[in-house]
Amino acid sequence: AQSVTQLGSHVSVSEGALVLLRCNYSSSVPPYLFWYVQYPNQGLQLLLKYTTGATLVKGINGFEAEFKKSETSFHLTKPSAHMSDAAEYFCAVNRKNSGYSTLTFGKGTMLLVSP
Amino acid sequence: DSGVTQTPKHLITATGQRVTLRCSPRSGDLSVYWYQQSLDQGLQFLIQYYNGEERAKGNILERFSAQQFPDLHSELNLSSLELGDSALYFCASSVVAGGSANTGELFFGEGSRLTVL
Repeated sequence: AQSVTQLGSHVSVSEGALVLLRCNYSSSVPPYLFWYVQYPNQGLQLLLKYTTGATLVKGINGFEAEFKKSETSFHLTKPSAHMSDAAEYFCAVNRKNSGYSTLTFGKGTMLLVSP
Repeated sequence: DSGVTQTPKHLITATGQRVTLRCSPRSGDLSVYWYQQSLDQGLQFLIQYYNGEERAKGNILERFSAQQFPDLHSELNLSSLELGDSALYFCASSVVAGGSANTGELFFGEGSRLTVL
């Protein structure tokens, strides 16, 4: 079975500060990892994904995440927060060569950005 | 715009009633997934269809059912509604059964917000 743990249901930062959203996963086989963002009253939008190759993955809006197998982590970072980054962020995992398996999501982290 | 269309966007109904939520996947996508999002449970996988056939079941209640039609659109039927069924219901789609290029990547609609009074 696979699972995802997102540390902190809410994270508050000031505009211009570093954003760090934590995600740890468990998977019995090598995973595919994703970060999705949900803006208010909208659906989930893919920020970035790790499938294979380079462990540092760059996504949209200046976000990036690093896959660390030894730590079973896939933390999301952005060097400088912007007000428009305020949203809920979801980490998700899927098994490689998973066939018909589905994404398992974490409970989400709400990012609050203050001026 | 993900290309996944869900209707209705908002729905208010009473306990005991039945509703149908509709989803049109992205053009070319064969798989449709339904998720429920609520404050206490987070994002919960309900059910997946691939090219008209049920492929995987998650935490879907017996009062809920779904189907995927030959034109690949899908409907989620919720019956004998309870207050606790109030939630945002998302549809997602992907090309193959296990997700885009088998990575599991899903494309989400904007959701249908159900309020049960």
